[in-house]
Amino acid sequence: EVQLVESGGGLVQPGGALRVSCVASGFTFNGHTMSWVRQAPGKGLEWVSAISRSGEYTYYADSVKGRFTISRDNSKNTVDLQMDSLRADDTAVYYCAKEVIDHAIEYWFFDVWGRGTLVTVSS
Amino acid sequence: EIVLTQSPGTLSLSPGERATVSCRASQSVSSSYLAWYQQKPGQAPRLLMYGASSRATGIPDRFSGSGSGTDFTLTISRLEPEDFAVYHCQQYGSSPLTFGGGTKVEIK
Repeated sequence: EVQLVESGGGLVQPGGALRVSCVASGFTFNGHTMSWVRQAPGKGLEWVSAISRSGEYTYYADSVKGRFTISRDNSKNTVDLQMDSLRADDTAVYYCAKEVIDHAIEYWFFDVWGRGTLVTVSS
Repeated sequence: EIVLTQSPGTLSLSPGERATVSCRASQSVSSSYLAWYQQKPGQAPRLLMYGASSRATGIPDRFSGSGSGTDFTLTISRLEPEDFAVYHCQQYGSSPLTFGGGTKVEIK
């Protein structure tokens, strides 16, 4: 079964740091770019960050650039998001998502999502 | 950045009725690289459509997508009880990836 499972969410004070992780199973992990997408309470979805198959290339939304760092370990089938200098507006459920490859072409929409992990930034 | 605007915000319909959700882009979406997702409370999004009009694996044919350029539509031909949910559009033709604000399809 293709699966993504996130962990590491919790309550953190403004200005603090938190690391969320995602472990993948059921597919060739190192064959896919992976993304983090977040959803603030009662709001829509926001793409946060992505990392290429080898981990060589990383991409960030402007809202998190310079504060968040994405990484992956293909030996462990994991992708992490290190979040520093957290702000109240970073409060959200953070989803790990797998991009699609069709006929050897990568498309950045997502066919597999984890259940998410809640990050709350509050004093 | 391409801004996606969904309308209406909420759609109140009865089972068996037709649902039409609109997604309008602030600029043309390259190659109709537009996807639709369904999300139920407390659950992760589920891929419904991609390439504006291609159904994802396992999606029933009462779901259809259309459009190009800046105007896209998701249609549910006859609402089943399990279709009441929030629907999101996403463009993946240009960076950064962006999503619409969501449309809630609720039972009337």
